[in-house]
Amino acid sequence: KQEVTQIPAALSVPEGENLVLNCSFTDSAIYNLQWFRQDPGKGLTSLLLIQSSQREQTSGRLNASLDKSSGRSTLYIAASQPGDSATYLCADTTDSWGKFQFGAGTQVVVTP
Amino acid sequence: GAVVSQHPSRVICKSGTSVKIECRSLDFQATTMFWYRQFPKQSLMLMATSNEGSKATYEQGVEKDKFLINHASLTLSTLTVTSAHPEDSSFYICSVAGGQGNQPQHFGDGTRLSIL
Repeated sequence: KQEVTQIPAALSVPEGENLVLNCSFTDSAIYNLQWFRQDPGKGLTSLLLIQSSQREQTSGRLNASLDKSSGRSTLYIAASQPGDSATYLCADTTDSWGKFQFGAGTQVVVTP
Repeated sequence: GAVVSQHPSRVICKSGTSVKIECRSLDFQATTMFWYRQFPKQSLMLMATSNEGSKATYEQGVEKDKFLINHASLTLSTLTVTSAHPEDSSFYICSVAGGQGNQPQHFGDGTRLSIL
């Protein structure tokens, strides 16, 4: 069974610093991997989707990389802002219909 | 704008009550929707895959008679928690796959269920 692990569980940085969030998975035969943001008591907002054939995806200050051989994905957030404070979840799917396995998330706090 | 609408956002009710949660796909027809459950400070756990026009597929350990899923149209799936008890209190979230796994999955805003 696919297992997804996120380290660290929590992270606090001052505003302006770059954030590096790690996600590892045990089954390299993934179909795609997705990064989400979750605010307290809210649903999930999709940030980036990386197909298994891709190495990275970028959107604004966000960049996500994928290394299937080592079973890792990293989410980089440049020049962090207090509004980036949230829990970030990674999830992958090994089938084509989007049945995801989630990590436990990294809770991020960006202090002004 | 929102791609997935989930209703209600919060429910507080007495033990023994049955609660229905709706998940609507607003932007496209969805033959497949997913229902997740999230306990405090834990990640999402897939409960079941909702298939339009056929029976839902439940994950191991999820009671299908407890969590009834109906996906009668291409834009609506419902989850009914039957005879809810305090241990059923949780955050329930639905999602819609954008296609054959190569599109982002979109999530509803979730339903906070509290059973007294």
